[in-house]
Amino acid sequence: GQQLNQSPQSMFIQEGEDVSMNCTSSSIFNTWLWYKQDPGEGPVLLIALYKAGELTSNGRLTAQFGITRKDSFLNISASIPSDVGIYFCAGQLVGRRDDKIIFGKGTRLHILP
Amino acid sequence: GAVVSQHPSRVICKSGTSVKIECRSLDFQATTMFWYRQFPKQSLMLMATSNEGSKATYEQGVEKDKFLINHASLTLSTLTVTSAHPEDSSFYICSAGFDGANIQYFGAGTRLSVL
Repeated sequence: GQQLNQSPQSMFIQEGEDVSMNCTSSSIFNTWLWYKQDPGEGPVLLIALYKAGELTSNGRLTAQFGITRKDSFLNISASIPSDVGIYFCAGQLVGRRDDKIIFGKGTRLHILP
Repeated sequence: GAVVSQHPSRVICKSGTSVKIECRSLDFQATTMFWYRQFPKQSLMLMATSNEGSKATYEQGVEKDKFLINHASLTLSTLTVTSAHPEDSSFYICSAGFDGANIQYFGAGTRLSVL
C-alpha cells in the first residue's frame, strides 16, 4: 500500500541542538500533518499544513509543505528534554474522500544527558 | 478545543473475555472516528473507520467479528475486542475527525493486556 518514507528513524542529539526530520512520498498529498507521541500516550497534533509551499511555525517547531506536494519537513530549534518522543508525519492523499490519513513510521528523538 | 477522550487507559483481562473501549469527542461532533492498533516501537496501524449511524469500514486483514465497532452518536464510538486472546494484547488508539478538516485528533490510548 501507499507509504510515507520518514527519516531519520531515530536521532540522538545534545540538548540545545536543532533537529530536522522529513517525510517523502511518491504520491501527491493535499494535507501534511506532524504529530508527537509520548510513551503510553496518543499522538498529539503539532502542525497541520494545507498548501504547497506553506511554512508554519508553532513555537520552536517549524514545518513546511513541499512545493511538489510529495514531501514535508519538521524542524525543532534549540531542543529541550521534553522534546523527547516519537514524531510522526501523516498526510491525506489527493483524491481521497474518506478522511483516512497515512502515517510515516516515526522518528524517535533522544536527547543525550 | 478538539479533545478526544478514550477510556479505559489500561485494561487487564483473562483470555476469552470481551473488552469494550470507548472513544468520545468532548467538544466537537466527530463525523468520522478511527481505530488504530500500535505494536511496540511501530507506527499506527489503521484497523477501521467508523461513521456515525453506519457500519464501520474495516481494513484488510482485520476481523470484523473480533473487533466490533459501534458509532451510535456523533460523539461516541466503541471498540469491543471479543473473546480476547493474548495475541490481542496491544495499544489501541482512537481518533476523531470532522468534515473537511483533514485532521485527526487522538485519544490517549488503551493498553490492553490479555492474560
